Amino acid sequence: AQTVTQSQPEMSVQEAETVTLSCTYDTSESDYYLFWYKQPPSRQMILVIRQEAYKQQNATENRFSVNFQKAAKSFSLKISDSQLGDAAMYFCAYSPARPQKLVFGQGTRLTINP
Amino acid sequence: GAVVSQHPSWVICKSGTSVKIECRSLDFQATTMFWYRQFPKQSLMLMATSNEGSKATYEQGVEKDKFLINHASLTLSTLTVTSAHPEDSSFYICSAYTNEKLFFGSGTQLSVL
Repeated sequence: AQTVTQSQPEMSVQEAETVTLSCTYDTSESDYYLFWYKQPPSRQMILVIRQEAYKQQNATENRFSVNFQKAAKSFSLKISDSQLGDAAMYFCAYSPARPQKLVFGQGTRLTINP
Repeated sequence: GAVVSQHPSWVICKSGTSVKIECRSLDFQATTMFWYRQFPKQSLMLMATSNEGSKATYEQGVEKDKFLINHASLTLSTLTVTSAHPEDSSFYICSAYTNEKLFFGSGTQLSVL
């Protein structure tokens, strides 16, 4: 069975600084997707970034980027120029190529210090 | 972007009663929907996969007779918590799959007294 591990229950960063959230996963599949989701206090799940395993290039979305190390099964999220609105729970998630059934990590609570 | 509407957003019920939660894809057809459960300060756990026109596939440990899932159309899946008890109190979230993308509903907080 696939598993996703986030070893940092809580992280904090100064506003405008950079922070990296860690995620490792375990799978025997060669084709899959990885995701980072943000869950603010409203509890709405918001997609931050998505990576297809067959793509070697790391995904980026504005201030958010990932470091995808397929051999090491590592998928970290870097948030640059942190903003107060980035404060939330962040979940790393794995999905097989189809049908997009997600396995979530335990989550990391990110606090932004003004 | 695609919208998934989940209703109600919040419900309180008495122990022993049943509660139905609806998940609708408003502007797309979803052949597959997923139901997750999230306890306070914990992660999301997949409960079941709902396929239009067929029986849901439940994850190990999820009681199919307690959590009834119906996916009667391409835009609607429902989760009914039957004979709810306080331990069923949780946040329930649905997601809908289309064109290799997933869209989440806003969730339903169920509190069983």
